Amino acid sequence: GESVGLHLPTLSVQEGDNSIINCAYSNSASDYFIWYKQESGKGPQFIIDIRSNMDKRQGQRVTVLLNKTVKHLSLQIAATQPGDSAVYFCARDGVGYQLIWGAGTKLIIKP
Amino acid sequence: DVKVTQSSRYLVKRTGEKVFLECVQDMDHENMFWYRQDPGLGLRLIYFSYDVKMKEKGDIPEGYSVSREKKERFSLILESASTNQTSMYLCASSNPGGQPQHFGDGTRLSIL
Repeated sequence: GESVGLHLPTLSVQEGDNSIINCAYSNSASDYFIWYKQESGKGPQFIIDIRSNMDKRQGQRVTVLLNKTVKHLSLQIAATQPGDSAVYFCARDGVGYQLIWGAGTKLIIKP
Repeated sequence: DVKVTQSSRYLVKRTGEKVFLECVQDMDHENMFWYRQDPGLGLRLIYFSYDVKMKEKGDIPEGYSVSREKKERFSLILESASTNQTSMYLCASSNPGGQPQHFGDGTRLSIL
């Protein structure tokens, strides 16, 4: 069935290093992908999105890469900071305006 | 900035009570959504709405209903609360293009 899954539930990264969070999806017809950050006690916050006609999109310290051949999505965070500690969700378009969500990856920053 | 406001951060209710969760957005968004979030299960869609007085079932509508009498307000109703409805409830809204969805900070609901 349709699903979006994350490879690892927890990722530990040294402060200052780059972080890479991965996501796999099963539906090759997916057209839209999005990343959210959720800090403790808050709702998900939109980070960056990408459409299927693109392979890469950059924001402020973040880059999303889309590999449609292997149905893989990644979020790269440059120079990881303590404020990046959060759970990161990938999601893709579903029926209508719905999103199909992954279960989340917890990013831990080591000092 | 888009602001989605949920009326309560924490709520404690008893089994069998009728519970109302309120959500208001200030960006004139047409689409509004209610999710529940449980550890290890990610976000699951309960109901959503494309327009005033319009509603559509999501993946887990059982035990819930919704109301959208005004464009900016979307209410989630637990008709007879049960302990398995203890969860974090998140409201979101989006523009007519559909994405991205913007979220409130959630209501942590405990049913005793």
